[in-house]
Amino acid sequence: SQKIEQNSEALNIQEGKTATLTCNYTNYSPAYLQWYRQDPGRGPVFLLLIRENEKEKRKERLKVTFDTTLKQSLFHITASQPADSATYLCALVDGAGKSTFGDGTTLTVKP
Amino acid sequence: DSGVTQTPKHLITATGQRVTLRCSPRSGDLSVYWYQQSLDQGLQFLIHYYNGEERAKGNILERFSAQQFPDLHSELNLSSLELGDSALYFCASSVKLAGEVGTDTQYFGPGTRLTVL
Repeated sequence: SQKIEQNSEALNIQEGKTATLTCNYTNYSPAYLQWYRQDPGRGPVFLLLIRENEKEKRKERLKVTFDTTLKQSLFHITASQPADSATYLCALVDGAGKSTFGDGTTLTVKP
Repeated sequence: DSGVTQTPKHLITATGQRVTLRCSPRSGDLSVYWYQQSLDQGLQFLIHYYNGEERAKGNILERFSAQQFPDLHSELNLSSLELGDSALYFCASSVKLAGEVGTDTQYFGPGTRLTVL
């Protein structure tokens, strides 16, 4: 069955460092992969999308890589700030538009 | 504010009852998605509508149904409610059909918190 795993439920880092979050999947052939940010009690907010034929995408301090051979995406936040503290979700979308979300990684950036 | 509205914000009901959740997508968005988020299940995709037609189905129970109306708002109907249906229900919208080139963003609403007692 399809499975998405995001690294450790919680990640704690110091302000200014780079946070790296991992999303691994099995038994899935996604058309594209998305990363979202979710704050407690609120809806997810879209951050970045990367397609199966793309290796890397950047947006300001955010960078996403996608390795379809390893079946893995890495999400990087450089120069992290306490305001980056949130839960980050990865989602895989197949060609029919069906989305499958990971359980998320909770990032805490300490000042 | 994403531009997606959901009503009601909170809903408390009893087992066996039926409820309707409403979603208004962002102006101009043709796609509407419904998701369920519970503590032990994470965010689960339920169903996707595009311009009034069902386009993809996820882990949606037979007790649940949805539709998208000509004005593009959508309703999610939950019937014969069980305790395990207690969750946050999110609606999201996007401009195009999922998978189409240029479909970059799903905008999520604030959610409806359903509590079944």
